[in-house]
Amino acid sequence: EPEVTQTPSHQVTQMGQEVILRCVPISNHLYFYWYRQILGQKVEFLVSFYNNEISEKSEIFDDQFSVERPDGSNFTLKIRSTKLEDSAMYFCASSEAGHSGANVLTFGAGSRLTVL
Amino acid sequence: GQNIDQPTEMTATEGAIVQINCTYQTSGFNGLFWYQQHAGEAPTFLSYNVLDGLEEKGRFSSFLSRSKGYSYLLLKELQMKDSASYLCAVMDSNYQLIWGAGTKLIIKP
Repeated sequence: EPEVTQTPSHQVTQMGQEVILRCVPISNHLYFYWYRQILGQKVEFLVSFYNNEISEKSEIFDDQFSVERPDGSNFTLKIRSTKLEDSAMYFCASSEAGHSGANVLTFGAGSRLTVL
Repeated sequence: GQNIDQPTEMTATEGAIVQINCTYQTSGFNGLFWYQQHAGEAPTFLSYNVLDGLEEKGRFSSFLSRSKGYSYLLLKELQMKDSASYLCAVMDSNYQLIWGAGTKLIIKP
């Protein structure tokens, strides 16, 4: 079964450092997403991406965050200068149809970011 | 504001039936999803309802009443592996997924 893959599975970084989280969405999917989940809390939407540009972003996705699709397969989330409160599990997801009701997201296994 | 409410935690016995409720108030409605999330893992898709009524899929069923802003997930013949969090999410008029905080289901032998 096709899957979304994420690397690294766990990253520990110092406050103020830049972090890049990588994702390989399912190959025939056109819509890509980043979500985060702080330990014990709800899943939070960060950003959606379609046709090589951001289609939606949340209040969380401020100037410290950026996304990129550098080639035909990878989708990256960059945090420019990490803060303690950025510590969370970051999930990448992809779907075939974005603006459609039955928009089933397939999630990657997540990248756990710990900021010290 | 937009809101999804579901119980924080439920406990049930192996072999029994459990119903997890979800109520929502959102700006528009384009369907309701249930996802399962085991601890430390990614959410995985369980069901999608956009019309009123019951959708059955094996041991899991999901019900929707749009007029009441209400859904439930019904799990039958509970197994230990069903211990997980169950996330209710609603797609609003902008096709954004609004997530509930999840219901942690604990299965006891």
